[in-house]
Amino acid sequence: EAAVTQSPRNKVTVTGGNVTLSCRQTNSHNYMYWYRQDTGHGLRLIHYSYGAGNLQIGDVPDGYKATRTTQEDFFLLLELASPSQTSLYFCASSDVGGRGEQYFGPGTRLTVL
Amino acid sequence: AQKVTQTQTSISVVEKTTVTMDCVYETRDSSYFLFWYKQTASGEIVFLIRQDSYKKENATVGHYSLNFQKPKSSIGLIITATQIEDSAVYFCAMSHQGGRALIFGTGTTVSVSP
Repeated sequence: EAAVTQSPRNKVTVTGGNVTLSCRQTNSHNYMYWYRQDTGHGLRLIHYSYGAGNLQIGDVPDGYKATRTTQEDFFLLLELASPSQTSLYFCASSDVGGRGEQYFGPGTRLTVL
Repeated sequence: AQKVTQTQTSISVVEKTTVTMDCVYETRDSSYFLFWYKQTASGEIVFLIRQDSYKKENATVGHYSLNFQKPKSSIGLIITATQIEDSAVYFCAMSHQGGRALIFGTGTTVSVSP
């Protein structure tokens, strides 16, 4: 059974729309991460959290909010989506942050028209 | 600022041969952790192998091994006896933000042909 799941798997919205991407992990990990993947840029860290109610700013946070409601659930929010946010989004979890391996979800492909 | 650079965009090899891919990193941390991940054609991203900066021995897992050259800030990945299933994008990553996150390179696409 997949330990990190994401929903939806695909999403199309219009410019200015609201989008919420969901991630759930059953690894009992403290750390959760949101990345975006774009051609030529690899994986870039948007936001991360090391526990329920905690939020840390990543490397490319502009235009994104995030919220960690429980140890299992981490949400990425795009309140005014723009075409530049068209991307493949991955969620990941880790028990010891950047000192240990991360387990990735299957990804969500977001298209902003 | 921390940075991870993979200069090889793509590599093509014949099955059962060895492929080597490069990664250089920049950090001011005295202790850090280095990782390699594989992204398959289906998009799945999986952890392959790691190297802790304080360890002198190169890590090896199955047919994956690392060439860690600390003075050169380099962590190369070596795949021996390649198989068709090794065709994928390989990402190098380093601990980041005080060890709480990772920073990734841009990836190297490996194509293994029969």
